[in-house]
Amino acid sequence: QSALTQPPSVSGSPGQSVTISCTGTSSDVGSYNHVSWYQQPPGTAPKLMIYEVSNRPSGVPDRFSGSKSDSTASLTISGLQAEDEGHYYCSLYTSSSTVIFGGGTKLTVL
Amino acid sequence: EVQLVQSGAEVKKPGESLKISCKGSGYNFLTYWIAWVRQMPGKGLEWMGVIYPGDSDIRYSPSFQGQVTISADKSISTAYLQWSSLKASDTAMYYCAKRGSASRYTVDVWGQGTAVTVFS
Repeated sequence: QSALTQPPSVSGSPGQSVTISCTGTSSDVGSYNHVSWYQQPPGTAPKLMIYEVSNRPSGVPDRFSGSKSDSTASLTISGLQAEDEGHYYCSLYTSSSTVIFGGGTKLTVL
Repeated sequence: EVQLVQSGAEVKKPGESLKISCKGSGYNFLTYWIAWVRQMPGKGLEWMGVIYPGDSDIRYSPSFQGQVTISADKSISTAYLQWSSLKASDTAMYYCAKRGSASRYTVDVWGQGTAVTVFS
């Protein structure tokens, strides 16, 4: 199964909104709502930000939101803050009980 | 507090064996599967496989089948990842992560990572 496609980088100024896309196919992202998003600041372990497309774990600010349209899932960060910088990865739990990750997107807060 | 604590950084030579660990605490270790994820230097995340501690069922990602061995010791709430003969290309950060409490389709807690360096 191929990796999910993410843009290599996105950027935005403090207070702005940015959206990171995660594109799969009609057979994976298009068929299941098992998409998660992880944030990985430099030098740290990933942190779960969104699960099952649009659910936020306890403690994740509501500035982070997830959605899906057809074969593309998206993570939107509103009210950008400097602490949001880092890499973001989408993932999909597949029908064969494995997980595929996107290639990752580097978010720069200008 | 739910935690996964991994063993420390390792420096090994090609051909050597290695076993790294991931100890769970603050939750029922038997209830949630544990996954291992590789991150090579400057690269993205790769799913290696998962173990279900309750019955020791193991599922490997095709890319890692035969390359590593995943195991667990229920009595001490610890999962393991091991290599019988390391290669330079095994140099990476390795993370363990547990199945989500609210969803079985995600991981919600990650270990701090174990850096493995293999060079001659």
